[in-house]
Amino acid sequence: TQLLEQSPQFLSIQEGENLTVYCNSSSVFSSLQWYRQEPGEGPVLLVTVVTGGEVKKLKRLTFQFGDARKDSSLHITAAQPGDTGLYLCAGAARGTSYGKLTFGQGTILTVHP
Amino acid sequence: NAGVTQTPKFQVLKTGQSMTLQCAQDMNHEYMSWYRQDPGMGLRLIHYSVGAGITDQGEVPNGYNVSRSTTEDFPLRLLSAAPSQTSVYFCASSYGGAAQETQYFGPGTRLLVL
Repeated sequence: TQLLEQSPQFLSIQEGENLTVYCNSSSVFSSLQWYRQEPGEGPVLLVTVVTGGEVKKLKRLTFQFGDARKDSSLHITAAQPGDTGLYLCAGAARGTSYGKLTFGQGTILTVHP
Repeated sequence: NAGVTQTPKFQVLKTGQSMTLQCAQDMNHEYMSWYRQDPGMGLRLIHYSVGAGITDQGEVPNGYNVSRSTTEDFPLRLLSAAPSQTSVYFCASSYGGAAQETQYFGPGTRLLVL
């Protein structure tokens, strides 16, 4: 079983601060996705990274896939209250067929005004 | 498009009761799946389907049945509910079968088994 460890599990910060969420594994993933989930709703895909060392930016969010494809990070610059939510990483092992995503435990982010 | 819809939103069951969680999508997606979400454990795959008439087990299939008679619908059946099945259940669909495909999730069904 592939495992994805997310850290930290909880993050409470003030508006304007920067933060980084980590997603680590001992296994190699062919691709990794980041989702954001708001209370009472399902997860919504933010980004997919597939190449080792890849960096993708989505406004104030920067996603990085490790060179060895075993880890990923999400960095938020100048966090805003609207960034509050649960952030999930999900990875697919090499040769994985559909539906075999492994999800991390999630990071609950609270941004205070 | 309504996307992925799930019913009911909330359900309370007694141990031993059975029920069906409904999931429908109007995006003509071939691939659909069911996950459960528990605190501190992320999402875990229960069952999935790669097309009408084809289903397979995920990570935690015990106690659940699925069938896929149409492209649009993918119901999840709890045969004899147990307190351990208290969870939030999400249905998801995607157009393609590659791991990097975007999965579209429904709003979830919150289930409490007493």
